This record gives sequence, C-alpha cells and structure tokens, in this order.
Amino acid sequence: DAKTTQPPSMDCAEGRAANLPCNHSTISGNEYVYWYRQIHSQGPQYIIHGLKNNETNEMASLIITEDRKSSTLILPHATLRDTAVYYCIVRPRSGNTGKLIFGQGTTLQVKP
Amino acid sequence: GAGVSQSPSNKVTEKGKDVELRCDPISGHTALYWYRQSLGQGLEFLIYFQGNSAPDKSGLPSDRFSAERTGGSVSTLTIQRTQQEDSAVYLCASSQLAAIGRDEQYFGPGTRLTVT
Repeated sequence: DAKTTQPPSMDCAEGRAANLPCNHSTISGNEYVYWYRQIHSQGPQYIIHGLKNNETNEMASLIITEDRKSSTLILPHATLRDTAVYYCIVRPRSGNTGKLIFGQGTTLQVKP
Repeated sequence: GAGVSQSPSNKVTEKGKDVELRCDPISGHTALYWYRQSLGQGLEFLIYFQGNSAPDKSGLPSDRFSAERTGGSVSTLTIQRTQQEDSAVYLCASSQLAAIGRDEQYFGPGTRLTVT
C-alpha cells in the first residue's frame, strides 16, 4: 500500500491560507488521494479527494503534482474552527475493501 | 439528514467483562466500517462490511473482537474479556458507494471505552 508523509504540525494565521503538504511517492496509477480532518473529540470528517486533476469544493482545494508523488491541501481562508489534525490518505489497492489507513497526520493550529 | 450514530457515547467496564458497542449507519449506506483510536494514537482500521460480501476482518486485533451487521444496517462490535489495552475511542463510519477510491466515509461521534 502506498504510504504518505506529512509534517507533524503547522501553524497558520486566522484569515490566511493554510497549505498542508503530503508526500506519497509510491502511489500507483489507480490510487486516489483523500484528505480527512479530525477536530478534537470528534470523528474524522471527509474534506476532499482526487486522482490526478486538481479539485475544489466548498471546504478546500486539492493540488496534485503532475507526477502524483505529492499533493497540497489548501484551506483558502483558515478560521479558528479549522484547527484540527489533517490526514492525507492514499486508498489501498485491495479489490474489495474501502478501509482507510490513517497515518499520524498534520496538526494544524490556526491562531488569531 | 441523520448522520452516523453510536451508542453508548461512553462505557466504563471492568477488566474481563464483555462489552457491546452499537453503530447505526446513515440510511441507505451499504458499507460500514469500525475503527479505533487509542489515547495519543492514530486511527486503526478494525473491520469492514459491504452488502452481502464477507466482511474484511483483517484489522481485528485478536479473537476477542467480533462484529456483526444485521439486515445490512445496524452493526454491533463485541469485545469479550476486555483488557486495559482495549481502552480507546471506537469509531464507526458508513459510506454509500464502495467503489474503490471513490467513496466518502461519514464517521460517527465514537464510543469512548474505558477498561478499569
């Protein structure tokens, strides 16, 4: 299974863009990149996913490099409520399971 | 609409006792997952149900752990002869489409299990 590498922590000023990097250099061609976040004492929350094209939704943007070996999650205008652990996940290649394999993630602290 | 619900929200049990944790997935979701998160640890996959297919039990840590899903909806995770290392938050998730790499999982609030 492809693994991901993320910085353990990042800070961001409120109102500024938060750019969270993720390396997934062993990703294979049929694997998607997913991002989830976990706010303290809550269950994880889906943010966005992509295969090779950049994606945008109401929560965030996902930029995937052309070689697909890394990606960046962008929160365009971070708020204090965006303080959370952000997980970058590459879906396993298994044929009949949709399990998520979580790493340690990046703890994003949004500061006023 | 209603999200994934779990009960109880908190459970304290004595070492050696059995516990049952319940998950009610989002209506219509065919896939259901159990994960757990120990204090200061990441999320760990336990088991996955998809329709009538055999469940993926590859994440269950020991034979003391089992789960079932009745009628393709509600699921129960059972831990027999609980140990202190079983203390964790147990999270349930469900998804509508289990096409690999394309489904979004919606998580419940979790059950915090404490084994004394």
